[in-house]
Amino acid sequence: NAGVMQNPRHLVRRRGQEARLRCSPMKGHSHVYWYRQLPEEGLKFMVYLQKENIIDESGMPKERFSAEFPKEGPSILRIQQVVRGDSAAYFCASSRDLGTGSNQPQHFGDGTRLSIL
Amino acid sequence: QKEVEQNSGPLSVPEGAIASLNCTYSDRGSQSFFWYRQYSGKSPELIMSIYSNGDKEDGRFTAQLNKASQYVSLLIRDSQPSDSATYLCAACSNTGGFKTIFGAGTRLFVKA
Repeated sequence: NAGVMQNPRHLVRRRGQEARLRCSPMKGHSHVYWYRQLPEEGLKFMVYLQKENIIDESGMPKERFSAEFPKEGPSILRIQQVVRGDSAAYFCASSRDLGTGSNQPQHFGDGTRLSIL
Repeated sequence: QKEVEQNSGPLSVPEGAIASLNCTYSDRGSQSFFWYRQYSGKSPELIMSIYSNGDKEDGRFTAQLNKASQYVSLLIRDSQPSDSATYLCAACSNTGGFKTIFGAGTRLFVKA
């Protein structure tokens, strides 16, 4: 499967636990984006990363949330001390290297549905 | 604040009709525009990209771009019940680090 791979598809955590969401971009893609979506609502941008760099984290809450995209391995979105309000679908998208001129579209993974008990 | 605006709908059209979805964007630096389809409980799926003023056709889908009016639209001809979904418009600007801004989406319902 050459698409964006996210795991797990479903994740259940109790309040106060940590949640780790993983994303492997499409082959040839070096840009990763994380979004959060509540039911019946739009996509909310969280963070944009390239290998080993956070480019834009303007949508990420300042506390408890962090993201990384190491040189080797998938991108990780980490939520510490989860609360009920963190329950949502978290989507990862990836795109090719962005050169001059036209921008490359983002391709989405199937998402991780996070439920907090 | 860079924004992409869409009518939330729902837009209801009969089977076989043309569905017209509209989108406006605020950042004049936007150069690339995308339409995504999202079925309930699923992830967004890219269906069209458009970069130049005018029309771009792909099967039953036509994207239209007017940069002077900062307006993007998606036409779906011969609408089918399987087209019922939320359609997301997205605009990407070269300024500020190639950030893509998504609209909140328009819900389309095609009645059989």
